[in-house]
Amino acid sequence: AQTVTQSQPEMSVQEAETVTLSCTYDTSESDYYLFWYKQPPSRQMILVIRQEAYKQQNATENRFSVNFQKAAKSFSLKISDSQLGDAAMYFCAYRSFGGAQKLVFGQGTRLTINP
Amino acid sequence: DTAVSQTPKYLVTQMGNDKSIKCEQNLGHDTMYWYKQDSKKFLKIMFSYNNKELIINETVPNRFSPKSPDKAHLNLHINSLELGDSAVYFCASSLQSYGYTFGSGTRLTVV
Repeated sequence: AQTVTQSQPEMSVQEAETVTLSCTYDTSESDYYLFWYKQPPSRQMILVIRQEAYKQQNATENRFSVNFQKAAKSFSLKISDSQLGDAAMYFCAYRSFGGAQKLVFGQGTRLTINP
Repeated sequence: DTAVSQTPKYLVTQMGNDKSIKCEQNLGHDTMYWYKQDSKKFLKIMFSYNNKELIINETVPNRFSPKSPDKAHLNLHINSLELGDSAVYFCASSLQSYGYTFGSGTRLTVV
């Protein structure tokens, strides 16, 4: 079974600076998808970024980018120019390419932005 | 025009009661899910339906019963509620390989 580990329960960063959230996963599959979700205090789950394992190029979405290291099974999220609105829980998630399409989540990292 | 809508958003009930949470999506997605987020914020899948067919049924007490009348709806009925059932329940939907779209969650409190 696949597992996802986020080893940083909490992180903080100064506004306008850059922060990196870590995620590692365990799988025997070669094709899969990885995601980062944001959950602000409103509790809405918001998709931040998505990466297909077969793509070598790291995904980017505006200020958000990932460092995907397939061999190391690592999928970190970099947030540049942090803004107060980035404060939230961030969840890393894994999804198999085929078969049952469940998302397997990490434990989450609570990100605080200091003004 | 909410994509995935859950009702109610909050539910407070006494132990032993039976309650239902409803979910509807208007995205045309073919798969719907129920996830449970516990007090430590951990999210775990409970059930998944694809075109009204149950495809994932994780280790969940049989007091929990999902029902999918059509592919746009997935409801969750819980019998004989217990204190440990208190959590936030998320409905979600997906289409093939793209990411999920989540509802806003239902906070269930059992007293």
